[in-house]
Amino acid sequence: GAGVSQSPSNKVTEKGKDVELRCDPISGHTALYWYRQRLGQGLEFLIYFQGNSAPDKSGLPSDRFSAERTGESVSTLTIQRTQQEDSAVYLCASSLYGPYNEQFFGPGTRLTVL
Amino acid sequence: AQSVTQLDSQVPVFEEAPVELRCNYSSSVSVYLFWYVQYPNQGLQLLLKYLSGSTLVESINGFEAEFNKSQTSFHLRKPSVHISDTAEYFCAVSDAQGGSEKLVFGKGTKLTVNP
Repeated sequence: GAGVSQSPSNKVTEKGKDVELRCDPISGHTALYWYRQRLGQGLEFLIYFQGNSAPDKSGLPSDRFSAERTGESVSTLTIQRTQQEDSAVYLCASSLYGPYNEQFFGPGTRLTVL
Repeated sequence: AQSVTQLDSQVPVFEEAPVELRCNYSSSVSVYLFWYVQYPNQGLQLLLKYLSGSTLVESINGFEAEFNKSQTSFHLRKPSVHISDTAEYFCAVSDAQGGSEKLVFGKGTKLTVNP
């Protein structure tokens, strides 16, 4: 079946602009995660959605970052007033409920802020 | 809070040589442990995981990792590597006591297998 998809694959924007990144999880996966990978760094957790529960936003680096998820489907990550330090690959993953389950990752969106 | 340390950022080896990629973690609660792999131009995928039971876990392509609670380690090993094992390997932990389901990742180890 189809895996996790993300769009766009690449995004170049100017400092101060807003960007929106999209994630389509695997059908039936109730859990959805966003991570950020800066050059030479590991993956950094941003936010976690599980069903209709309140999301775990503990990893969002500032109030310029927000995310939404409609039910158990598509999620969007929005970065307002982008800064150069926001340049990174943004990865989305989905899984069945439970921290012991495999997370399936999308190909990522490479964001470059000029 | 949990953290993961991968001591080696890059590991070059020759084909058919053994390899060990080191991973140490820090956590105040019990954890689940994972190794994810990213092959060139591909997405991250699960290689193997430890949840409970036998401390030695294996992957289908010959890698194994051993959970050592006293040393808080989960090193990845393979007795004989192939060119196709060239990839970046990430160690990760999650909370096994019902807290957040997020994964905490190490910074990754780039394994390069040379002919």
